Amino acid sequence: VQLLESGGGLVQPGGSLRLSCAASGFTFSSYAMSWVRQAPGKGLEWVSAISGDGGGTSYADSVKGRFTIFTDNSKNTVYLQMNSLRAADTAVYYCAKAWSSSYYYFDFWGQGTLVTVSS
Amino acid sequence: EIVMTQSPATLSVSPGERATLSCRASQSISSNLAWYQQKPGQAPRLLIYGASTRATGIPARFSGSGSGTEFTLTISSLQSEDFAVYYCQQYNNWPLTFGQGTKVEIK
Repeated sequence: VQLLESGGGLVQPGGSLRLSCAASGFTFSSYAMSWVRQAPGKGLEWVSAISGDGGGTSYADSVKGRFTIFTDNSKNTVYLQMNSLRAADTAVYYCAKAWSSSYYYFDFWGQGTLVTVSS
Repeated sequence: EIVMTQSPATLSVSPGERATLSCRASQSISSNLAWYQQKPGQAPRLLIYGASTRATGIPARFSGSGSGTEFTLTISSLQSEDFAVYYCQQYNNWPLTFGQGTKVEIK
């Protein structure tokens, strides 16, 4: 299993960014996926999740209405569209594979991509 | 939201000694608890799920116990590679929540 994130970078407050996570080594459409972030020097914070069939999504209150998770099963890729970014969104964003759509613990993680929101 | 509280924040242990980490949930989560290990500059690694089942490839010196609201991760004999930060995570309710972490450092 490999998860490779991309799309991080420096963005101004109020701006947008789209993160991508390309997956390989498993049947992508059969597993739920999630994004978890970690602010500099801080702990882990769950951000969003999507079921294997893409029909179910969940968001942390801190990002609800601003972030959107979606998948492209033809590309084995999960995305996180981030709008109206704030300084508090600055973090390393990890893509993680859930054990199943019923049990959202994470057996594989990507290496992370850094998002910095600053003027 | 279920709040996960880990204690202690930092645990100083000598190599070869036993380490006991605690995680408490603000309400019952049955056995829907996972433990992760994170080393500096690395992604987290799954250690335990279902409160007590070791993930693939995890050494037997790691063990988990508990149910309901009280959980424990025990490292029976600390090796040099075990010094890291450990997080618990509940997956019983949305939103998913993590504890704030316990740093296990060399005494």
